Amino acid sequence: GAVVSQHPSWVICKSGTSVKIECRSLDFQATTMFWYRQFPKQSLMLMATSNEGSKATYEQGVEKDKFLINHASLTLSTLTVTSAHPEDSSFYICSARDRGQRAYGYTFGSGTRLTVV
Amino acid sequence: EDQVTQSPEALRLQEGESSSLNCSYTVSGLRGLFWYRQDPGKGPEFLFTLYSAGEEKEKERLKATLTKKESFLHITAPKPEDSATYLCAVWGGGADGLTFGKGTHLIIQP
Repeated sequence: GAVVSQHPSWVICKSGTSVKIECRSLDFQATTMFWYRQFPKQSLMLMATSNEGSKATYEQGVEKDKFLINHASLTLSTLTVTSAHPEDSSFYICSARDRGQRAYGYTFGSGTRLTVV
Repeated sequence: EDQVTQSPEALRLQEGESSSLNCSYTVSGLRGLFWYRQDPGKGPEFLFTLYSAGEEKEKERLKATLTKKESFLHITAPKPEDSATYLCAVWGGGADGLTFGKGTHLIIQP
């Protein structure tokens, strides 16, 4: 089945620094990748959608200058949290859509726990 | 605006005690309703996709059904390893990503 690899699984960084999270589709080409954020006991909230070779589309309320998304190839998307602050601490999860699937299956990565101290 | 409401928020069952989880949704032009399982500290694991009212899908002890307003995830004779948070999500309207509910935290006691 479709597999999405996300790294790192957890990261601790100091306030004011930047953190990059990678999301790779291992056995399929992902024309579209999605980034979600999940706070404790809350639902996954879509942050942005990225299409390969295009600028990402951000959901309302998500700062595009703070959350930089790059989708340079059909198998890799990255999310960079710039100048991170404690309120950015959360569980970040990527998802990729397999363009080969009629069902538009959404496969999720294992998530990245970001803690900003 | 798409909305997904799951109930109950939490459910504790004895091993073998069957039950159902509910997902009510509001979306203009449903293109798909998804069920996922999420274990603590992990990403969602795909279970089912339903596309139209009346559709049903089964996998082991789980069965998902869909109407025009809600979906049910029936769990039959659950085992402790079925303990997890079950998430419902919809794809529809003009959105490309999924809209998730808050999930049902299911605990199966031996």
